[in-house]
Amino acid sequence: EDQVTQSPEALRLQEGESSSLNCSYTVSGLRGLFWYRQDPGKGPEFLFTLYSAGEEKEKERLKATLTKKESFLHITAPKPEDSATYLCAVQAEGYSSASKIIFGSGTRLSIRP
Amino acid sequence: ETGVTQSPTHLIKTRGQQVTLRCSSQSGHNTVSWYQQALGQGPQFIFQYYREEENGRGNFPPRFSGLQFPNYSSELNVNALELDDSALYLCASSPRDRGYGYTFGSGTRLTVV
Repeated sequence: EDQVTQSPEALRLQEGESSSLNCSYTVSGLRGLFWYRQDPGKGPEFLFTLYSAGEEKEKERLKATLTKKESFLHITAPKPEDSATYLCAVQAEGYSSASKIIFGSGTRLSIRP
Repeated sequence: ETGVTQSPTHLIKTRGQQVTLRCSSQSGHNTVSWYQQALGQGPQFIFQYYREEENGRGNFPPRFSGLQFPNYSSELNVNALELDDSALYLCASSPRDRGYGYTFGSGTRLTVV
C-alpha cells in the first residue's frame, strides 16, 4: 500500500537554528514528490516538486532533496515567519488517468524569536 | 491571476443533513480535486474531476459525490452527514490531469453536530 510518513510530528527551534524535516515514502512507482506549507486555517501552499533521486530544489531558506526512499526539507537559519505545518505528498504511478496525491500527516514547525 | 476560491468558509450542519460545498478553480485549470483534512492530519483524497467527469476516487463512500461544470467550477455534495464528516474540505486545481503543482483553496470548515 502506498504510504507517506513524516517525522518528527512537531519541531521547535530557536530562530537561526537550522534543521531538517523527513518524509519517507512507499509507492509502487513515484511520479512526483511535493512539499507544501500550511498555515493554520488555510489551504496548503505549494513549495516544491521533485521527480527523481538526486534532485534538489531551493527557495529562500528552504531546500528539498530526494532519494529513492525519502525526502528531506532542510531549513537554514529559520525565522519566526517560517512557523507552519510542512506537508509532504507523493503522486504515484499506476492510477490510469487519475493522479491521486497521497499526503503525510505533516510536521508542525515552530520557530522561537 | 485568480486563485482557487471556496465557499462557504465555515458551515455547521446537523447529523443526517446534506451539504454542498463550492469551488471556483484557478483560471486555466481544468482539473479539480477534493480533499478532506481532519484536525492534525494530512489531507485525504476524496475524488478528482477532469473535463466534467470523475477521474479517480479515494476511499470515501458514495454519499460523497461531486460535479464539475463547463467553466471548471466544482461542487462537493455530502449526504446523510455523520459526526466524523467534521473536517476542513479542500479544493485544489491544476492545469492538467497530471496533478503536480496543485493550487489549493483556503477550504471550508464543516462542523457536524
